[in-house]
Amino acid sequence: DVVMTQSPLSLPVTLGQPASISCGSSQSLVYSDGNTYLNWFQQRPGQSPRRLIYQVSNRDSGVPDRFSGSGSGTDFTLKISRVEAEDVGVYYCMQGTHWPITFGQGTRLEIK
Amino acid sequence: EVQLVESGGGLVKSGGSLRLSCAASGFTFSNAWMSWVRQAPGKGLEWVGRIKSKTDGGTTDYVAPVKGRFTISRDDSKNMLYLQMNSLKTEDTAVYYCTTGLAGRWGQGTLVTVSS
Repeated sequence: DVVMTQSPLSLPVTLGQPASISCGSSQSLVYSDGNTYLNWFQQRPGQSPRRLIYQVSNRDSGVPDRFSGSGSGTDFTLKISRVEAEDVGVYYCMQGTHWPITFGQGTRLEIK
Repeated sequence: EVQLVESGGGLVKSGGSLRLSCAASGFTFSNAWMSWVRQAPGKGLEWVGRIKSKTDGGTTDYVAPVKGRFTISRDDSKNMLYLQMNSLKTEDTAVYYCTTGLAGRWGQGTLVTVSS
């Protein structure tokens, strides 16, 4: 199985400051069709997960533009340009290129 | 608006069975690959399995811990997705989510608790 490794696992951030989460995969996530199926999810306390980013860098509808995704191959990053109070929660990366689909361990973002 | 509503969770004894349902609306269900993802209490996310659209063969895939015990099915005439869970183990205790495609949309989840 493809192992997804996130860092850091805990991320205290001051309001208005940027934040960055890294995600590495144990194999390349480039699929045979040329696409890279790497998604990012946000799970706020007590809520279902919500997809923020698909295929590395595409924001889902309604996702604020302060969220951005980048990367290629086996190394990926989720960035929040200016953290707001509503961004508190756990963030997961997920690869959909190889079966079984696998998630990272999650990164808990909190406000300092 | 896409809506996914899971039901059928509850408390069951180890070795027992449960069937979860997911009612879908707001999109062309028959064209969608659908999946179940679970989250044990206080833990991360785990993909359980998926079912392809009938036009893509309608086949299913499962992760190793549930293979041979869980079965995913769909009724496109009713826009319903199902998860039949047999031979349940305490480690299957989790909130089970119904999702579309590569987890683009999620339901609210339904809690399954397996007691020993």
